[in-house]
Amino acid sequence: EVRLVESGGGLVQPGGSLRLSCAASGFSFNNYWMNWVRQTPGEGLVWVSRINSDGSSITYADSVKGRFTISRDNAKNTLYLQMNSLRAEDSALYYCGRVGYCSNKSCRGMDVWGQGTTVTVSS
Amino acid sequence: QSALTQLASVSASPGQSITISCTGTSSDIGGFDYVSWYQHLPGKAPKLMIYDVRHRPSGVSDRFSGSKSGNTASLTISGLRAEDEADYYCNSYTSSDTEVFGTGTKVTVL
Repeated sequence: EVRLVESGGGLVQPGGSLRLSCAASGFSFNNYWMNWVRQTPGEGLVWVSRINSDGSSITYADSVKGRFTISRDNAKNTLYLQMNSLRAEDSALYYCGRVGYCSNKSCRGMDVWGQGTTVTVSS
Repeated sequence: QSALTQLASVSASPGQSITISCTGTSSDIGGFDYVSWYQHLPGKAPKLMIYDVRHRPSGVSDRFSGSKSGNTASLTISGLRAEDEADYYCNSYTSSDTEVFGTGTKVTVL
């Protein structure tokens, strides 16, 4: 079964750090680009970051650039999101997603999602 | 990176067709044929319904179809069913090599 399982969420004070993990199983993790997406009641779905299959290409949303770091360990089939300098507005349900469709050296469409892990930034 | 613009809600009766629009700019929707659509039910993971403007993943009903004209993408649901009631989000690749989601549309089946 193709599966993604996020973990690492929790309650953290403003300015603090948290590392999210996304464990992949049931597919060749090292062949796929991966995304982090977050959801808040007020904003809906918001794209956070993307990493390509070997980790050589990474992009971030402006709102997290310089504070969040995406990475992956293909030997462990795991995706990470290191979140530093957290703010109240980073509070959200964080999803990891597999990017399933590739052509022209680009990949689009998140065809597998985890159930999410909740991050709450509050004093 | 401003969110793509979607109408907040759409409602229709079972069997009818609805079209959800998603408006962006020439830097996102208008510049690339890389628009995706997601169905999101409360408490569940989002589900990919359309990718690359009009392509359906395996297993997605052909009642769902996608299109694009200029800076606006559209998702049409034909033969509306009760199980289609959900939030729908568009998503586009951007010229900054990032992605952006729409504001979301709540579909209600009357």
